[in-house]
Formats: sequence, C-alpha cells, structure tokens
Amino acid sequence: GAVVSQHPSWVICKSGTSVKIECRSLDFQATTMFWYRQFPKQSLMLMATSNEGSKATYEQGVEKDKFLINHASLTLSTLTVTSAHPEDSSFYICSARDAGGEGYTFGSGTRLTVV
Amino acid sequence: KNQVEQSPQSLIILEGKNCTLQCNYTVSPFSNLRWYKQDTGRGPVSLTIMTFSENTKSNGRYTATLDADTKQSSLHITASQLSDSASYICVVLTGGGNKLTFGTGTQLKVEL
Repeated sequence: GAVVSQHPSWVICKSGTSVKIECRSLDFQATTMFWYRQFPKQSLMLMATSNEGSKATYEQGVEKDKFLINHASLTLSTLTVTSAHPEDSSFYICSARDAGGEGYTFGSGTRLTVV
Repeated sequence: KNQVEQSPQSLIILEGKNCTLQCNYTVSPFSNLRWYKQDTGRGPVSLTIMTFSENTKSNGRYTATLDADTKQSSLHITASQLSDSASYICVVLTGGGNKLTFGTGTQLKVEL
C-alpha cells in the first residue's frame, strides 16, 4: 500500500530557530500534499495544501511566512517552521494524495517542542 | 457549514468486548466517508473508505456502516484487543473541492 515517510518523528529546538520537517511518498507520486497541525485531544487542522511545482495555498489564519512549504518534486514536500516560538509546539502531520486518486495517506507525524 | 460529530468522546471497554462508535455528518456535497485509527503520537491510518452507495464495509475486526439518508456512520469493533486503544476519527471527503472534514475523534481505551 501507499506509504508516506515523515521525518523527524520528534524535534526539540530553541526559540527563534527554524525547523524543517520532511514528507516523502515512497511508492507513489504525490501530486498534492497537505500539512496539518494537531493539538492534544483535538482533531487535525489543515494548515496548507500544496500541489507539486506550485505555491502552497494556506488556510485562513496560517502565516505563510512563518510556515514555509516546498513541494518541488512529486515525492517530497517540506514544512519549515521559521523563527519558532513555544506556541508553535504541536504535532505536525503531512498527508499525500496521488494524481487521480482519492487516497489520502498520512505521515507518522512530527512532535515539535520549542523551548 | 460542513461538520462531522462523533460520539462518544471517550470510551473504556474490557478486552474481548465489542463496541460501536458513532459519526454524524453535515457535509455537502458528499464524496466518501473514512474511518481512521490514530495511535498516540502517530499519524492516522485508514481503516475503511465508503462511498455513497455502500452500506457496510469490513476490515478484519472493524466493520463500518453508512446511512447516506440520515448522514450517519458507525464503526463496530469486535473482540477488542489492547492494541485497539487509540483515537478513531471519522472523516468526510467533500466532492468537487476534495476537502477532508475531520471529526474530533473517539478516544478508545481497552483494558484487561
């Protein structure tokens, strides 16, 4: 089945630094990638949608200059949290969808802690 | 507004017992409904995907039902195991925009 590899699984960084999270589709081409944020005991909240080779579309309230998304290839998308602050601490999850399919395969998530 | 509501919010059952989780949705236009299992600190894993014309679908000990008329779905887990302890999320895909609407999940705990 479709597999999405997400790294790192957890990261601790100092306030003010940037953190990059990678998401790779291992056995299919992900034309669309979705990035979510999840707070404890809450549902996934869509942050942005990116199509390969295009600029990401951000949901209302999500700062595009703070959460940089790159989807330069059909198998790799990255989310960079710039100038991280403690309130950015959360669980970040990516999801990939293949061309023409309705499969949404999720990555294993990244626990970000900003200290 | 598209919404997906799940009940109960949390549930504790004994190992070996069955349970049923509920999902009500107000999503239009409807494309399909999915149930995911999310272990703590992990990403969601798909259990079932059901389209408008499907009433029931099974995946091992998991059986999902869908009533498109009443806009309700259920996920039945039989012979529960300790490893079933997780959050179960009901997700509806809207047609056209291909947007996923997530429920808040049911937190299931299976105890000895």
